[in-house]
Amino acid sequence: RKEVEQDPGPFNVPEGATVAFNCTYSNSASQSFFWYRQDCRKEPKLLMSVYSSGNEDGRFTAQLNRASQYISLLIRDSKLSDSATYLCVVNLAYGNKLVFGAGTILRVKS
Amino acid sequence: DTGVSQDPRHKITKRGQNVTFRCDPISEHNRLYWYRQTLGQGPEFLTYFQNEAQLEKSRLLSDRFSAERPKGSFSTLEIQRTEQGDSAMYLCAVNYGGLSYNEQFFGPGTRLTVL
Repeated sequence: RKEVEQDPGPFNVPEGATVAFNCTYSNSASQSFFWYRQDCRKEPKLLMSVYSSGNEDGRFTAQLNRASQYISLLIRDSKLSDSATYLCVVNLAYGNKLVFGAGTILRVKS
Repeated sequence: DTGVSQDPRHKITKRGQNVTFRCDPISEHNRLYWYRQTLGQGPEFLTYFQNEAQLEKSRLLSDRFSAERPKGSFSTLEIQRTEQGDSAMYLCAVNYGGLSYNEQFFGPGTRLTVL
């Protein structure tokens, strides 16, 4: 079983749509959680950290359910520029290595 | 801009050759990480340094791979006797400490193609 699992997609959505990505992780000792965004042939870029209480940054909302070992990302009012791969990431200890899911591909179309 | 540069950005080599990649943070960071990413997968951890000390190595890092961070600033990753399976993007990441201590920021990567 992979440590971090994501639906690979692709998710094809029209502009303005709301789209949700889910992720599960296997190690209950995981301490920190993130969503990264990766454009084609570029490096991953931190989109947001995910906190237990849930957090929002503009059109993006992240949720964490430690009991179910589940992380989600909601994107509202999708833009063409949101097209990318979204990587779910966990780590076991502060400052330690990151463990990535394989990513979910999002394509927003006009 | 994450303040991390990597050199070269692209490298094409023949099987059996040795290659070396370099990662340069713009300023000294406590921790520096190396990851490898193949097509369709997320990055996989290879190794990391705290200052000059190499604290952890993945089992992906075979004896053909070696990494150094001699002065606690820049780092190098060397692959000896390259194989076609080494073809991947090699990514360097750092964290800035303070409140964002746990967040890692990536350089642009070195894309390696082994023929």
